[in-house]
Order: sequence, then C-alpha cells, then structure tokens
Amino acid sequence: GAGVSQSPRYKVAKRGQDVALRCDPISGHVSLFWYQQALGQGPEFLTYFQNEAQLDKSGLPSDRFFAERPEGSVSTLKIQRTQQEDSAVYLCASSPYRGSNNGELFFGEGSRLTVL
Amino acid sequence: AQTVTQSQPEMSVQEAETVTLSCTYDTSESDYYLFWYKQPPSRQMILVIRQEAYKQQNATENRFSVNFQKAAKSFSLKISDSQLGDAAMYFCAYRSRYNFNKFYFGSGTKLNVKP
Repeated sequence: GAGVSQSPRYKVAKRGQDVALRCDPISGHVSLFWYQQALGQGPEFLTYFQNEAQLDKSGLPSDRFFAERPEGSVSTLKIQRTQQEDSAVYLCASSPYRGSNNGELFFGEGSRLTVL
Repeated sequence: AQTVTQSQPEMSVQEAETVTLSCTYDTSESDYYLFWYKQPPSRQMILVIRQEAYKQQNATENRFSVNFQKAAKSFSLKISDSQLGDAAMYFCAYRSRYNFNKFYFGSGTKLNVKP
C-alpha cells in the first residue's frame, strides 16, 4: 500500500488476555517505530527497529510488552496479560532513513486498544 | 529527559484568521530539532514544519511559520489564513540531534476552525 497500515484498528480485550498489534510499514522503509498514545496525551516512544534489529526498546513499560520485526518489514507489538492501564492508541511509524534523520516519520492510523 | 509543554489544550480560530499555538521545551542540549505534527481525527499524524536549533532563521511552509526563541526555549506555530482543513490536534515535538530515534511530544493542542 501507499502508507503505513495498522491492524486491527480497534481491539477490545478482557484484562489478562494477550493481544497482538500489526504494523505494515511503507515498502522499503528501513526504520520502524512504535509509540503509545494515552487519551488526551501526546505519543510516547516505545521501541525502534532498524531493519530486523531492535536497536532501542527503552520505552517499553514492562516485560509484558514485546515487539518484533523478523524480516525487516512487518512488525508486531505483543502485549501479554493486558491491564487496564494498557488502554491506549498504539501508533506505528516508519522512515526511509536510518533513524529519523530528517524528522519526517510516516505514521499509521493507529490501533486503539481498550482493556476492560 | 527532555520535556515538551503545550499549555493550550484547545483553541479556536475563525476561518481566514491567524492563530498561534504555543510550545515550550526543556533541554540541556545545544543542538536539536523541533517539529510540529498535525493529527486529524483519523489519527494519522503528518509533519507540518521542522526547525533546526542551529538555524536562527524561523522556518516557514506556506501558511505555517514558527517563532523559535532558543534562549527562551520557546517554539510557537503560527497558522495564517486558517482553513477548515486545519482543524486537528497539533503536537510539538523535540528530537536530539544525536539520539535521533526518540521524539518527545507535548500533550497537544486541539484546534477548532469556525466557518
């Protein structure tokens, strides 16, 4: 596709369930980022991939959060044993550069997770 | 860690008029980048304008311009001739020149444009 695609757009999970959120970046983009956006807040950095290598995961809030990008294209953010505080919009962004060289990240529309 | 503050949760402007959105940031670094991102209701964020801290000249992009005051750590966005399509959340963001993987975003300003 032409842009960053995320699925599902909406996910409702019961507390304790595991969820998986998918990001399909723009073809050929080297860098991929995950951000968490709580209601009424700005996005907060979770993790960064350069191709298949996860170079920075300092923003992952707990060991329940895990991200992968095994072939350097599609990425999955997995949240185990979801808690209510995990409710947020999860944004994926990609960049053709290593890192975010010129600052232009291409964002997806996000996956809204609601944990009941 | 760097912090970015947007003190205006919501603002309104009449179509065709000018509006200024405020942003302040805190950093001990001397070299960095500042950005304004727009997030329409569909939630896909797009870059509006960027400013490199070592450049004294304020960035402009068509109807969008910034007022960058490095000593005051202030970075405001001016939108001239506001259009209905400008209605969105606007986020100010900071990025270190050297740690280019991590953006720090403010909490956003919701801009309403009245016809």
